[in-house]
Amino acid sequence: QVQLKESGPGLVQPSQTLSLTCTVSGFSLTSNSVHWVRQPPGKGLEWVGAIWSGGSTDYNSALKSRLSISRDTSKSQVFLKMNSLQTEDTAIYFCTRNYPGTFFMDAWGQGASVTVSS
Amino acid sequence: EIVLTQSPTTMAASPGEKVTLTCRASSSVSYMHWYQQRSGTSPKLWIYETSKLASGVPNRFSGSGSGTSYSLTINSMETEDAATYYCQQGSSYPLTFGSGTKLEIK
Repeated sequence: QVQLKESGPGLVQPSQTLSLTCTVSGFSLTSNSVHWVRQPPGKGLEWVGAIWSGGSTDYNSALKSRLSISRDTSKSQVFLKMNSLQTEDTAIYFCTRNYPGTFFMDAWGQGASVTVSS
Repeated sequence: EIVLTQSPTTMAASPGEKVTLTCRASSSVSYMHWYQQRSGTSPKLWIYETSKLASGVPNRFSGSGSGTSYSLTINSMETEDAATYYCQQGSSYPLTFGSGTKLEIK
């Protein structure tokens, strides 16, 4: 079945770079797209960005200057890198599958909790 | 950016009560999608393309709307429906979510 699992460091120091990995199973990255969505503690959901099945990317304009999303299709992995982290970037980061042909998310990972603190 | 405004922010309903949650968009969108998030868990797709129930969603749920006004309705509230519900639009970038409605059981 379709599964996504995020991994990465739980704690990142301010101004440092966050690196997260989303490992997927049950579907191919060459025919499916993956989003990153984040949720600050006690708050709502924010779309971070996406990597499309063809390999192109789209980013939230508020984060674009600090953000990079890439993938390794042979390993079924999607990567998020965000630099110059601030305390406001503290959140749970989810990777999600985009339902093919549409723009909604039909499967979510368990989430990776990231705390930005010295 | 299309802003989605959900109302109410929080509400409580008794078992068996009919519940309607609203999502209003700042510009017209083609469809609205809804997610349910129970405390401490990941969101789940609940309703897609305005009115289609995701797999496993009880048929006491329904969705409707068009243009800038959409709603999610629970025909008869049950304990397991207590959660936060988020709407999401995919008609234009960036994809945006509403701020959520927290639904509690009385």
